[in-house]
Amino acid sequence: AQTVTQSQPEMSVQEAETVTLSCTYDTSESDYYLFWYKQPPSRQMILVIRQEAYKQQNATENRFSVNFQKAAKSFSLKISDSQLGDAAMYFCAYRSARHESDKLIFGTGTRLQVFP
Amino acid sequence: DGGITQSPKYLFRKEGQNVTLSCEQNLNHDAMYWYRQDPGQGLRLIYYSQIVNDFQKGDIAEGYSVSREKKESFPLTVTSAQKNPTAFYLCASKRGLAGELFFGEGSRLTVL
Repeated sequence: AQTVTQSQPEMSVQEAETVTLSCTYDTSESDYYLFWYKQPPSRQMILVIRQEAYKQQNATENRFSVNFQKAAKSFSLKISDSQLGDAAMYFCAYRSARHESDKLIFGTGTRLQVFP
Repeated sequence: DGGITQSPKYLFRKEGQNVTLSCEQNLNHDAMYWYRQDPGQGLRLIYYSQIVNDFQKGDIAEGYSVSREKKESFPLTVTSAQKNPTAFYLCASKRGLAGELFFGEGSRLTVL
């Protein structure tokens, strides 16, 4: 069974600095999708970024980028120029591309604090 | 604007009572999901539905029930059989080829 591991329960960063959140996953499949979700204090989950496993290029969305290492099964999220509004729980998630019905599997999350 | 609406946002229940959480979407998505979130445990899948009139159990379905009579609606009933129902519940629908989830704002259930 696939698993997603986020080994950092909490992280902190100074405003305007860069922080990297770690995520590893376990799968025997070669075709899948990876996601990072943000859950601010309002509790609504928001998609931050998505990576298709068949793409070698790392996904980027404004200040958010990923470091996707397929062989190492690693999918870290880098937040550049951190802002106070980035403070939230961040969840890494995996979905197999094998079947449309395959479900998202979430990690346990990393709480990010941003200090002024 | 398209989105997912969950209600109520906060709900209090006495032990032994069934409660129903509402989830409505106007995104025209076929698949919908219910997750439970507890501190330190991430999201756990309760039930999901790929299409109207069909649904499947997730990882923690015991003590819960759902229905999917309309594409737009996927209500979750927390029954008295659920031993520890106090939690935050999130409803989601699936979009796109990648199957990313689009979430509602959640419902917090507290059992008194």
